[in-house]
Parts: sequence; C-alpha cells; structure tokens
Amino acid sequence: DVVMTQSPLSLPVTLGQPASISCRSSQSLVHSDGNTYLDWFQQRPGQSPRRLMYKVSNRDSGVPDRFSGSGSGTDFTLKISRVEAEDVGVYYCIQGTHWPPYTFGQGTKLEIK
Amino acid sequence: QVQLVESGGGVVQPGRSLRLSCVVSGFTFSTYGMHWVRQAPGKGLEWVAVISYDGGNKYYADSVKGRFTISRDNSKNTLYLQMNSLRAEDTAVYYCTYMQHWGQGTLVTVSS
Repeated sequence: DVVMTQSPLSLPVTLGQPASISCRSSQSLVHSDGNTYLDWFQQRPGQSPRRLMYKVSNRDSGVPDRFSGSGSGTDFTLKISRVEAEDVGVYYCIQGTHWPPYTFGQGTKLEIK
Repeated sequence: QVQLVESGGGVVQPGRSLRLSCVVSGFTFSTYGMHWVRQAPGKGLEWVAVISYDGGNKYYADSVKGRFTISRDNSKNTLYLQMNSLRAEDTAVYYCTYMQHWGQGTLVTVSS
C-alpha cells in the first residue's frame, strides 16, 4: 500500500500570513495514463470533508484562489497565500493512483496563532 | 444542487449487523464510482470501499474485507454499505462520497 506522510501535523499561522503543507508518498503517484491522482481536502470543525484540489493542482469550483497545489512524483504541497479565519481545520491529502486501497495522509491541523 | 444523505447509523452490539444507505441527488449517480469513507472519533479519514458506476467492480480496505459489502441501486440513486460482524474499532462516522462531494455522515457506534 502507498503510505502518505503529511507535515507538519500541526500548523499555527498568523492571519494574513502564508501557510504550506507537505504530502509525501512512498512511491510515485504518476499513473500509467499520465495523470497524477493526488487530491487535497479541507475539513472544518464539525463539518464533512470538502475537496479543494484534484490531480495535484486543479482547484475545485468555489475554492478561493489563495489555495494552490503543486508537486510531482512523490512530493506535493498545498499552499495558502494568505490565511483567513475560515481556513481553520484539518487538511488531508489522498492518493488515487495505486488503488485499492486509496490512502489518506494523517491530516494537518491548521489553527490561528 | 448536489446532495448526499446518509442514514442507517446507530448503536449496535459487537458481532451484529447494520446497513447504511446514501440517497443522492443533483448529479448523474449512475455515471460515478462511489466510495464509503469513515472517521473514528477524533481521528483521521480512512477509505473503506469503492464501487464502480455500474456496480460491476467493488474493492475494500483490508480492515473490512469479508465483513462489509458495498452495493448500489442506480434506479433509486442509492448507495449501500452492509456491515456484518461489527467490531468496536468500526465505530466511526461513515461518509458517502464521490470525492467531489460528500454527505454529512452517519455515526455508527459498536458497543455492548
């Protein structure tokens, strides 16, 4: 199984400052079809997860452009250019290249400093 | 708009069974593979199972293989998860999702 490792696990950030979350996979996530199936989810307190990014860098509808995704192979990053109060929550990466199983990262808890 | 509404959760004794349902609307259910994902209290997300758009292919996490069965009825826009031989470690909120959208989840508590 592909192991997804996120860092940091806790991320205190000052409002208006940037934030960055790393997600590393135990093997390359490049699929034989040429795509890389790495998504990012946000889970606000008390809410269901919400997908932010799919296939590394494609922003879902309604996701603010302060969120961006990048990376390739085994190394991926979610960046928030300027953190807002509504960004508080837990962020997860998930790989869908080598399945089953689909595998999530452990989650990164973003809080306001 | 897209809606996924799970039901069927509750408190059940170890070894017993439960069936979860997820009724969807707002998108063409019959063209999407569907997943169940769970979240134990205070823990992260764990993928449970996936079913292809036509129900022809099903895959499971090792932790539930042989005990859980995913199925769907495209005529009813409904996804199911039959859970047998439940264990305390199956206690979680269970979400129905096709990744782009998620339901609100239904809580399953396995306890004597």
